[in-house]
Amino acid sequence: TQLLEQSPQFLSIQEGENLTVYCNSSSVFSSLQWYRQEPGEGPVLLVTVVTGGEVKKLKRLTFQFGDARKDSSLHITAAQPGDTGLYLCAGGSSYNTDKLIFGTGTRLQVFP
Amino acid sequence: DTEVTQTPKHLVMGMTNKKSLKCEQHMGHRAMYWYKQKAKKPPELMFVYSYEKLSINESVPSRFSPECPNSSLLNLHLHALQPEDSALYLCASSQPALNTEAFFGQGTRLTVV
Repeated sequence: TQLLEQSPQFLSIQEGENLTVYCNSSSVFSSLQWYRQEPGEGPVLLVTVVTGGEVKKLKRLTFQFGDARKDSSLHITAAQPGDTGLYLCAGGSSYNTDKLIFGTGTRLQVFP
Repeated sequence: DTEVTQTPKHLVMGMTNKKSLKCEQHMGHRAMYWYKQKAKKPPELMFVYSYEKLSINESVPSRFSPECPNSSLLNLHLHALQPEDSALYLCASSQPALNTEAFFGQGTRLTVV
């Protein structure tokens, strides 16, 4: 069974602080996605990382895919209250490409 | 159009009722998904349709019955549900491919009373 463990589980910070969320697995993934979900809404795709060692930037968000394609991180610079939400990493199963496996989730709260 | 539309947004049903959740996408995606999400938990996969055929059933109880009438539509028929089935039900679609980028609907908040 392929599992994606995220840490931390919860994060509560002040506006302007930096943070990093980690997504780890013992399995290799062909790609990983990051989603953000707000209460009562569906997850929204933020980015897909495909190549080991890849770094992608989306404004204040920086995503990295591990060299071995088993882990990923999301770094947010100068967090804002609008960044509040549930952050989910997800990867396609190696056994069934139709199956998207979600990580355990990181709930971020940014206070003004 | 990059939207996945789910109806209804909210549903309250009794344990003896029969209801259906509906999902529609017009992105030409050939894979569609149903997920169940409990409060403060990640989404759990229920069913996957690929090219209108059921490809994954994650051992979901038979009181949940999926249907894919065509490549744009996905239904979830509900019958004799239990209160513990109350959750946010999410539909998603993607292109069947190795990099499974999924686009999600807003979900249906289901309450079983």
